[in-house]
Amino acid sequence: EVQLVESGGSVVRPGGSLRLSCIASGFKFDDYGMSWVRQAPGKALEWVSSINWNGGRIGYADSMKGRFTISRDNAKNILYLQMKSLRAEDTALYHCAREVAVAGTNWFDAWGQGTLVIVSS
Amino acid sequence: SYVLTQPPSVSVAPGQTARIACGGDNIGSKSVHWYQQRPGQAPVVVVHEDSDRPSGIPERFSGSNSGNTASLTISRVEAGDEADYYCQVWDSNRDHPVFGGGTKLTVL
Repeated sequence: EVQLVESGGSVVRPGGSLRLSCIASGFKFDDYGMSWVRQAPGKALEWVSSINWNGGRIGYADSMKGRFTISRDNAKNILYLQMKSLRAEDTALYHCAREVAVAGTNWFDAWGQGTLVIVSS
Repeated sequence: SYVLTQPPSVSVAPGQTARIACGGDNIGSKSVHWYQQRPGQAPVVVVHEDSDRPSGIPERFSGSNSGNTASLTISRVEAGDEADYYCQVWDSNRDHPVFGGGTKLTVL
């Protein structure tokens, strides 16, 4: 069974830093690209960042560039999101998701339950 | 960047058909994916690549895509279908996914 379990969310002050983790199991981790997708309370899904199977291709949403860093450890089956200079508007539930890449499009066939990040003074 | 527009809400009586639209510039040239998110749960893909259903998703869920509008159709709606539904495409110009604003389906 494919499982994605996020951790690392907490309450942090504006300007602070946090590292999220996503432990993957039930599939060959290094066969897949992975993404972080967040959801602010009562709001829509918002893509945050993606990384391909070996970390050679990485992308960020504009508002996260320079503040967030995605990485992965294929030996440990873990996806990371290092976040710094956090703002109130970064408050959200952060999901990791497995990407399916086919014929010029990508979609997400597995999601974790998410880890909650609250940025507040 | 590419924008997807969904109606905020759709209401339907049990047993009827619900249609949820997803608008985008020439979206018919893109591949559209649909996710169901029940309250307090993670999203689940119900249709991918316009009209394909993953295993385990009922045949009541179907998708179509043409011109500037893609649609998710749910036939014989049940109370358990009440959820938020999101469309998603891949913005090939910027090499990243784009989500619609979501539609809350209410079963009356």
